[in-house]
Amino acid sequence: DAKTTQPNSMESNEEEPVHLPCNHSTISGTDYIHWYRQLPSQGPEYVIHGLTSNVNNRMASLAIAEDRKSSTLILHRATLRDAAVYYCILRGIPSNTGKLIFGQGTTLQVKP
Amino acid sequence: NAGVTQTPKFRVLKTGQSMTLLCAQDMNHEYMYWYRQDPGMGLRLIHYSVGEGTTAKGEVPDGYNVSRLKKQNFLLGLESAAPSQTSVYFCASRSTILSTDTQYFGPGTRLTVL
Repeated sequence: DAKTTQPNSMESNEEEPVHLPCNHSTISGTDYIHWYRQLPSQGPEYVIHGLTSNVNNRMASLAIAEDRKSSTLILHRATLRDAAVYYCILRGIPSNTGKLIFGQGTTLQVKP
Repeated sequence: NAGVTQTPKFRVLKTGQSMTLLCAQDMNHEYMYWYRQDPGMGLRLIHYSVGEGTTAKGEVPDGYNVSRLKKQNFLLGLESAAPSQTSVYFCASRSTILSTDTQYFGPGTRLTVL
């Protein structure tokens, strides 16, 4: 599985946009980019995923570089509840196991 | 829908004791997973199952056994607990619908081995 690199931590102010970067220079053509987040004392939860085009959902947006070697998770308006560890994970398709390989992720602090 | 539930939420064991962690899901998912998370680390896969009656090893399977006798349940067993198994254990299940392919996690079981 291709590796991802994320900053260990980031800070944001409440109600401001947050851009969480992820580098994946060895991504293959069939790798999907998944983002999960883990709120304190909870299990991870799915945020968003994409392959080539930018994606939007109710939680966030995912911007994927044209060469797919990097991506950015965008929280349009951070709230205190968004303070969490954010994991960028590559998943190949098709996969008969669905295994997720977690790195250390980015710890996002949101200041009031 | 309860989603993914885990029993118990907390447990303290003495070295050498055994226990079973139960994971249950009500989403009719085929795939289920057991992860452990040590302080300050990401999750690591212990064992997983791609369907009822099947199991396979993940990254860190030593010291653990699993069973998937029913589709909705995935059990993780520790036969002889060691302090190195002190961790938070998360279960997850996954839909096989290609367009989603996301995992749904339980709330975790915090295990301390003394």
